[in-house]
Amino acid sequence: DSGVTQTPKHLITATGQRVTLRCSPRSGDLSVYWYQQSLDQGLQFLIQYYNGEERAKGNILERFSAQQFPDLHSELNLSSLELGDSALYFCASSNRVGTPSVEQFFGPGTRLTVL
Amino acid sequence: ELKVEQNPLFLSMQEGKNYTIYCNYSTTSDRLYWYRQDPGKSLESLFVLLSNGAVKQEGRLMASLDTKARLSTLHITAAVHDLSATYFCAVAGNAGNMLTFGGGTRLMVKP
Repeated sequence: DSGVTQTPKHLITATGQRVTLRCSPRSGDLSVYWYQQSLDQGLQFLIQYYNGEERAKGNILERFSAQQFPDLHSELNLSSLELGDSALYFCASSNRVGTPSVEQFFGPGTRLTVL
Repeated sequence: ELKVEQNPLFLSMQEGKNYTIYCNYSTTSDRLYWYRQDPGKSLESLFVLLSNGAVKQEGRLMASLDTKARLSTLHITAAVHDLSATYFCAVAGNAGNMLTFGGGTRLMVKP
């Protein structure tokens, strides 16, 4: 158990809908990363937040957005969903306060199925 | 743009045999990671390699890093069925901690 939690575990929805995925980082970790894993694209980085602020952006679609709240949990919002958005979405955390951290700890993931 | 390539993408081997998975990356980086993923599960951290010549071992797995050649290897010694999984290497970009992953190597160890 990495200490990173994600909800929900599974999500089934229809095209055109909007969903929110939630991530709670390990206690004390300031950074949250979102990754998407699909058969087509493999594992790719979407976005990173550090202590509430966006730090880095990867291959994230404009229909997707994220935020990190004062309690450090993060949400990834996916809108106008398409079939191709079906994937496993992982959250990872790192950068524990007071310690240099080079390792990212991954949550269990949310499996999104768009029908 | 940082690119990470793994080979082979699929590996079927007999128990007791040795094999090596290769990870090449395209630009300078000082951090390389190996992860294991079981089907439908999360990514489990295996190794973090931080410097040229770094070698780390855990059980039947040994990882090494050559930053000059931009190459990391994951060596499997005397494979057992429990090692069957998909193995990913990932490289941290110089601009930050975001990871760029290789395509993964699906390992099947047959009894």
